[in-house]
Amino acid sequence: AQRVTQPEKLLSVFKGAPVELKCNYSYSGSPELFWYVQYSRQRLQLLLRHISRESIKGFTADLNKGETSFHLKKPFAQEEDSAMYYCALIGTGTASKLTFGTGTRLQVTL
Amino acid sequence: GAGVSQSPSNKVTEKGKDVELRCDPISGHTALYWYRQSLGQGLEFLIYFQGNSAPDKSGLPSDRFSAERTGGSVSTLTIQRTQQEDSAVYLCASSLAGFETQYFGPGTRLLVL
Repeated sequence: AQRVTQPEKLLSVFKGAPVELKCNYSYSGSPELFWYVQYSRQRLQLLLRHISRESIKGFTADLNKGETSFHLKKPFAQEEDSAMYYCALIGTGTASKLTFGTGTRLQVTL
Repeated sequence: GAGVSQSPSNKVTEKGKDVELRCDPISGHTALYWYRQSLGQGLEFLIYFQGNSAPDKSGLPSDRFSAERTGGSVSTLTIQRTQQEDSAVYLCASSLAGFETQYFGPGTRLLVL
């Protein structure tokens, strides 16, 4: 069975501080990993996916197959980064359905 | 262009009643998904439609839940004999094809009294 774990429900950081949102997964094959973000009163939207290897809004995530992790990082947090972040995976052969973690609320304070 | 739309945005119903939730995917997207977001369970997959293939219903929690997609476009999720534990936000998403980026709608917030 596939599973995504986000150990932190809430992460509070100061503006300008580095951010790391943790995500670990379990899947026997080669999954595709995603980070989705939900800003207040907005719909869930894709932040980044590992195959594109893009940096979106200053965020990056590296897939570490040895540690089965896909942590989301940003060197300098901004107030507008405050949101709910969900890590998710699609397993090959699983009909492209997303399996989500429970989410981490990022709170950036002045 | 227009994103995924869902209606109604909010629905309050009494236990035992049937409800229908509607999803309009992005035009041209062949894949459509339903998810449920609840306090106890987080975000969970319900059902997936891809083109004319048989839907993947593996996430439906009980036989009270069903969904259809007409003409490869609009989808309706039906919950029969609603229970209080059905209260949740029901999200619809669509993608160009399977394994492509999924774009989510704003959700329907269902409250069963």
